[in-house]
Amino acid sequence: GENVEQHPSTLSVQEGDSAVIKCTYSDSASNYFPWYKQELGKRPQLIIDIRSNVGEKKDQRIAVTLNKTAKHFSLHITETQPEDSAVYFCAASRASGNTPLVFGKGTRLSVIA
Amino acid sequence: NAGVTQTPKFRVLKTGQSMTLLCAQDMNHEYMYWYRQDPGMGLRLIHYSVGEGTTAKGEVPDGYNVSRLKKQNFLLGLESAAPSQTSVYFCASRPPGGGGGYTFGSGTRLTVV
Repeated sequence: GENVEQHPSTLSVQEGDSAVIKCTYSDSASNYFPWYKQELGKRPQLIIDIRSNVGEKKDQRIAVTLNKTAKHFSLHITETQPEDSAVYFCAASRASGNTPLVFGKGTRLSVIA
Repeated sequence: NAGVTQTPKFRVLKTGQSMTLLCAQDMNHEYMYWYRQDPGMGLRLIHYSVGEGTTAKGEVPDGYNVSRLKKQNFLLGLESAAPSQTSVYFCASRPPGGGGGYTFGSGTRLTVV
């Protein structure tokens, strides 16, 4: 089955700097890669996703890149703000059919003002 | 439109007691999932369902049972609670086709003493 590794487990950045979180996956058939943000005590919320027919996707200050050959994908947050502080999870699955998402173990991002 | 609703939000059980967690969604989603979240472990899949009357095991199914008698409801049961089942439980759903992101419930914090 799928296995998703996520790094780093914790990340501290100064406000205004960029943050990068990286994930690798094992199942070459996976083709759907979402990212979730979880604030303390809250539910995970989808912030961006990418499918394997696309190499990069942007939404304002966040972007995700995908390298299918190397089986890794990354989340990039630019101009970080204190409200970006949260735990971020990557996940992977096959987009077709009913394969559940497999999540990474999460990255705790702290943005220092 | 409430999305995904979980009840209860908090519960304390004694070892050996039983309980049922309820997940209800009003988005007509086919797929529903139960995950548990433990510190440093990310989100691990317990059981899932791809439609009314169907269930399947996930990564950590032992000690849990599920039922999907109605499309909108997915129940998670603990027959004999153990301290190792102390966790935050999240239910999620997603639409047919499988390629969309999950909508999560707000979670149930369960403590087994």
